[in-house]
Amino acid sequence: RKEVEQDPGPFNVPEGATVAFNCTYSNSASQSFFWYRQDCRKEPKLLMSVYSSGNEDGRFTAQLNRASQYISLLIRDSKLSDSATYLCVVAPGNKLVFGAGTILRVKS
Amino acid sequence: SQTIHQWPATLVQPVGSPLSLECTVEGTSNPNLYWYRQAAGRGLQLLFYSVGIGQISSEVPQNLSASRPQDRQFILSSKKLLLSDSGFYLCAWSALAGYTQYFGPGTRLTVL
Repeated sequence: RKEVEQDPGPFNVPEGATVAFNCTYSNSASQSFFWYRQDCRKEPKLLMSVYSSGNEDGRFTAQLNRASQYISLLIRDSKLSDSATYLCVVAPGNKLVFGAGTILRVKS
Repeated sequence: SQTIHQWPATLVQPVGSPLSLECTVEGTSNPNLYWYRQAAGRGLQLLFYSVGIGQISSEVPQNLSASRPQDRQFILSSKKLLLSDSGFYLCAWSALAGYTQYFGPGTRLTVL
């Protein structure tokens, strides 16, 4: 079983749609959680950290469920510029473990 | 503010040739440094990480090596490249282990 699992997609959605990604992790001792965004042929960039109580940053909302060991990312009012690969990241210790990513394509 | 540099941006090398990729960080002291490889269409694979000068931890046995000769410099090397070494090599830094990592622009390596 992979340490971090994501649906690879692609998720094809129209502009303005709401889309949600889930991610599951295997190490229950994980303490830190993140979502990164990676554009085609570019480096990953931090989108947001994920806190136990859930957190929101503009159109993006992240949730953590420790009991079920999954993390979610909700994107509201999707923009064309949201098209990218979204990486779920977990820190079970002093390193980060990256999921393989979920591809999002927002169409006009 | 902190910035991270990598060079070269693109590299095409023949099988069996040596490799040296360099990463430098500005604007911070004693960062944790990381080398990752991302094969086409795949996730990030951690290759090496370093918590200080001369301290290197290897995650995956392979024909690559890493060195940290200065606090903010991290080098990835190989004596003889294999076809399977092709990929997107990313350097990252973090202030603390297990916390947010920031990536350089990457080096796209093609081994022919």
